[in-house]
Amino acid sequence: DTEVTQTPKHLVMGMTNKKSLKCEQHMGHRAMYWYKQKAKKPPELMFVYSYEKLSINESVPSRFSPECPNSSLLNLHLHALQPEDSALYLCASSQEGSSGGTRETQYFGPGTRLLVL
Amino acid sequence: GIQVEQSPPDLILQEGANSTLRCNFSDSVNNLQWFHQNPWGQLINLFYIPSGTKQNGRLSATTVATERYSLLYISSSQTTDSGVYFCAVEAVWWDGGATNKLIFGTGTLLAVQP
Repeated sequence: DTEVTQTPKHLVMGMTNKKSLKCEQHMGHRAMYWYKQKAKKPPELMFVYSYEKLSINESVPSRFSPECPNSSLLNLHLHALQPEDSALYLCASSQEGSSGGTRETQYFGPGTRLLVL
Repeated sequence: GIQVEQSPPDLILQEGANSTLRCNFSDSVNNLQWFHQNPWGQLINLFYIPSGTKQNGRLSATTVATERYSLLYISSSQTTDSGVYFCAVEAVWWDGGATNKLIFGTGTLLAVQP
């Protein structure tokens, strides 16, 4: 099973709302990722968790707050977003996320389409 | 950082035609993946190919790591092949330990017409 699931599929929120995106995988992967993708652009990395510890934050604004409650779950908490944050948010996972010679395939979920009004 | 460029940016094919998509990268990489993003946004793994050649049905890919490029071949294209094709290379981020980062190319938008 190489499935990563994301909920919700679509989300519309106002600039004062608080919402959360959820991602789950049951492949035993220990690395999980959040990406943001604007229309007609490639995905851009936001955060990486490796062994439930935040290992990369790509200078993402604090209105995005990631959380990794356990090795299978990854959340992205949203607060006070701006209209320009509207995008497709993709979650991915890979076996370990660490190098030292390992080479890993990342598996992506279907994404959450977010619209901020 | 590593730069990843894809060509062509857009491609229109008639059903049944063959095509070659190219991915150039600016530095040595551990890993290279090809993805197809369908119109609903799902990124589908096509190949994990840090070097050499692989084939899967009508698709095949070749990576020449020493020359820093990869090619994706699509033969006998079908309308379901439409979408965006991304290559992505893996770079290592060092911050007290090593974490892999996947850096996406600019993408090729493919439209296959019946």
